[in-house]
Amino acid sequence: GAGVSQTPSNKVTEKGKYVELRCDPISGHTALYWYRQSLGQGPEFLIYFQGTGAADDSGLPNDRFFAVRPEGSVSTLKIQRTERGDSAVYLCASSFGGSDEQFFGPGTRLTVL
Amino acid sequence: TQLLEQSPQFLSIQEGENLTVYCNSSSVFSSLQWYRQEPGEGPVLLVTVVTGGEVKKLKRLTFQFGDARKDSSLHITAAQPGDTGLYLCAGAVTGFQKLVFGTGTRLLVSP
Repeated sequence: GAGVSQTPSNKVTEKGKYVELRCDPISGHTALYWYRQSLGQGPEFLIYFQGTGAADDSGLPNDRFFAVRPEGSVSTLKIQRTERGDSAVYLCASSFGGSDEQFFGPGTRLTVL
Repeated sequence: TQLLEQSPQFLSIQEGENLTVYCNSSSVFSSLQWYRQEPGEGPVLLVTVVTGGEVKKLKRLTFQFGDARKDSSLHITAAQPGDTGLYLCAGAVTGFQKLVFGTGTRLLVSP
């Protein structure tokens, strides 16, 4: 079966612009996660969805970051007024129910000029 | 704040050598995962360990979870160039679904 997919694979934007990053989880996985990975670092947790609701958004760095999952499947991470410090790889993962095992997509590399 | 420290940060070895990567924390985790990540790709799950003292083997890779579920190790026997990559440990925090990742160990195996 298909794994987690993310689009776009690369996104270059200018400081101050708005961006949307999309994640399509593994079919049947109810849990979806967003992480951010800076160069040379391990991924850092941003937000976790169980179904349609954000069960834990404690990792979102500030109110410029927002994520939705309206139908409990595809999720969109939205970043307003992008800053150069937002440049990173944004990873999406999904898991089945309450399992600790998360399966990751290839990521979206965001570059803010 | 839960932190996972990995050592070494970087390891460059010759094909056929053995190596061990360590993942340490002062926090207790309900489980611990090991991932391998290659450039331009997302982390790929290698193994999950759940029970303190648990040992799992995956071909030439041996994973161990510490008795107190605070630390873990990954041992590779007779490393091959195909083992090259970034190895990440990640702990699952009890009561939460998020993973806390280590800083990563970048392994380079030369022929």
